Amino acid sequence: EAQVTQNPRYLITVTGKKLTVTCSQNMNHEYMSWYRQDPGLGLRQIYYSMNVEVTDKGDVPEGYKVSRKEKRNFPLILESPSPNQTSLYFCASSLSGIGEKLFFGSGTQLSVL
Amino acid sequence: LAKTTQPISMDSYEGQEVNITCSHNNIATNDYITWYQQFPSQGPRFIIQGYKTKVTNEVASLFIPADRKSSTLSLPRVSLSDTAVYYCLVGDMYSGYSTLTFGKGTMLLVSP
Repeated sequence: EAQVTQNPRYLITVTGKKLTVTCSQNMNHEYMSWYRQDPGLGLRQIYYSMNVEVTDKGDVPEGYKVSRKEKRNFPLILESPSPNQTSLYFCASSLSGIGEKLFFGSGTQLSVL
Repeated sequence: LAKTTQPISMDSYEGQEVNITCSHNNIATNDYITWYQQFPSQGPRFIIQGYKTKVTNEVASLFIPADRKSSTLSLPRVSLSDTAVYYCLVGDMYSGYSTLTFGKGTMLLVSP
């Protein structure tokens, strides 16, 4: 089954403790991206990647890192999480670009205490 | 990337047709228009995509006028399960080198 898999689904952590949210797709998609969703603000793009080793900042990249060492994986790294990064995070992928149909993961609800 | 404007919310009743319009005055020649549906705490789900005129699939229709500065998502005979947020996006089909902004979408509430 074609899908984007995010883990974990829920995560509670404390300020400053490094964490990684994993994202994997099985559709051989070139494009992958991360979004955060906060009440009243809609979905905002954090980082995106067009291919292996090619990443770029979205609208809200501060405090986040990403890597694309393999085509199928696009982890989101929070080196030193802060409470303002408490949010619902989504990973998405598409075949070749932002105009293509995006497939989203089921989301990761992160709480930073 | 073309910015889009949608109504914040809409109300409807079961069985009615719902039309949600999106404005995208700065749409570029290579841009396609895509609509997504999102339920609470779930990732958005693709509904329909088009470039011009009319596109129809099993769940919706998309109407795009000749100037492409707006588009209308049409949901026929909505049910309670169509209550969701609907996002209109405009983007170049073949270019990933740009941010992709979803905006706040349109919250559709369907009542019995």
